[in-house]
Parts: sequence; C-alpha cells; structure tokens
Amino acid sequence: AQKVTQAQTEISVVEKEDVTLDCVYETRDTTYYLFWYKQPPSGELVFLIRRNSFDEQNEISGRYSWNFQKSTSSFNFTITASQVVDSAVYFCALSEAGGSEKLVFGKGTKLTVNP
Amino acid sequence: DGGITQSPKYLFRKEGQNVTLSCEQNLNHDAMYWYRQDPGQGLRLIYYSQIVNDFQKGDIAEGYSVSREKKESFPLTVTSAQKNPTAFYLCASSIVASGAYEQYFGPGTRLTVT
Repeated sequence: AQKVTQAQTEISVVEKEDVTLDCVYETRDTTYYLFWYKQPPSGELVFLIRRNSFDEQNEISGRYSWNFQKSTSSFNFTITASQVVDSAVYFCALSEAGGSEKLVFGKGTKLTVNP
Repeated sequence: DGGITQSPKYLFRKEGQNVTLSCEQNLNHDAMYWYRQDPGQGLRLIYYSQIVNDFQKGDIAEGYSVSREKKESFPLTVTSAQKNPTAFYLCASSIVASGAYEQYFGPGTRLTVT
C-alpha cells in the first residue's frame, strides 16, 4: 500500500532562513511519481513539482529545491532565504503508475515565516 | 483564463439535507477528482472520473455520489448518509496519459452542516 509521511506538523522560521520540509514515502511499485503542492491560506492547492521514480536528479527552481533519494525513500523540499509569502501548508503526494492517477497525500507541514 | 471553478465558496446546510457541490473545468482535462480535507489532515480521495459517464470510488466514497455527464463538469452530492459532512471539499482535474500527471485544483468549497 502507498503511504506518504510528513513528520513535521508545523515549522516556524524567521524570514531569510533556509528551511527543509521532509517527505518519506512507501510504495511497492518500481514506477511511481512524487509531487509537492502548496496550500496558502486561501485554500487552493498550487502544484510545485512532479518527479518520476527514474529521475533522481535534484531540481532547483529559484529559491526552491528538491532532493529525491530512492535509497531512503525521501523527497525533501528546501526553501532558501524564506519569505513571508512562503507561509502555507505544504503537501507531498505519491502516485503509482498504472492508469488511475490517484494521488496519496501526506498530512502536510504548516510553514510559518515570520518577519 | 483556463482553470477550475467551484461554487459556492461557503455552503451551510441543515443536517439531513442533501447538498450538491459544483465543479467545472475548462482545461480540456479528461480526469476529474473530488477530495475532502479535514483540519490538520491531508486530502482524501472521494471519487474520480477519467472519462465521461464513468467514475470510480476513492477511499471515502460512502455517503457521497457523483455524475459525469459532461467532460467539463463533475458535481458532488453530499447525501444525508454522510455521517460527518462538515469539511473543505476540493475538486481537481488532470490529463490522462502514460504516467501520472499533476492535478490542478479549484479554490474549494467549505461545507458546514449543523
């Protein structure tokens, strides 16, 4: 069965600090996809990244970076030089290949960036 | 502007009443989904549909029903059989292709049943 664990329920940092959000997943499939979403206070989920299980390259997009390690079943997300606008709940999600495109979500990490 | 609309944003109902939540997309996506979110919880899948006139139960389908008569529309009915209907409901859509693609979400409907 698929499972996504985000052990950090809440994180609070001061602006300009770097912060890493952890995501650990479980799956029996060799082909799967991992996602990160951001949910600001407005409630709508915003897609951030999709990564397939065969691509272990780390990715950087501006202040955001993602570290995918199959050996530890982790897909961690780092925000560099955090800003107040980064305050949100961040969700990690997993989908197995096979056609249904169902996403299994972690419980989310609430990030608060204080000025 | 392409996107997903959900209406209304806030909905209040009395216990025992059925209520239908609207979800419309103009992204030309084949797949649509309904999720439920409770405070401090991740999203849980209620129903999904990959093609018109066909849909599948998700993890928590009991007490809910859906229809998919048009590609653009996937309304969710919360029936009186749903024991705990107060929650935030999110609709999403995605393309259907080899592999799993990102889902795009609507703004959500916050349902309160008293």
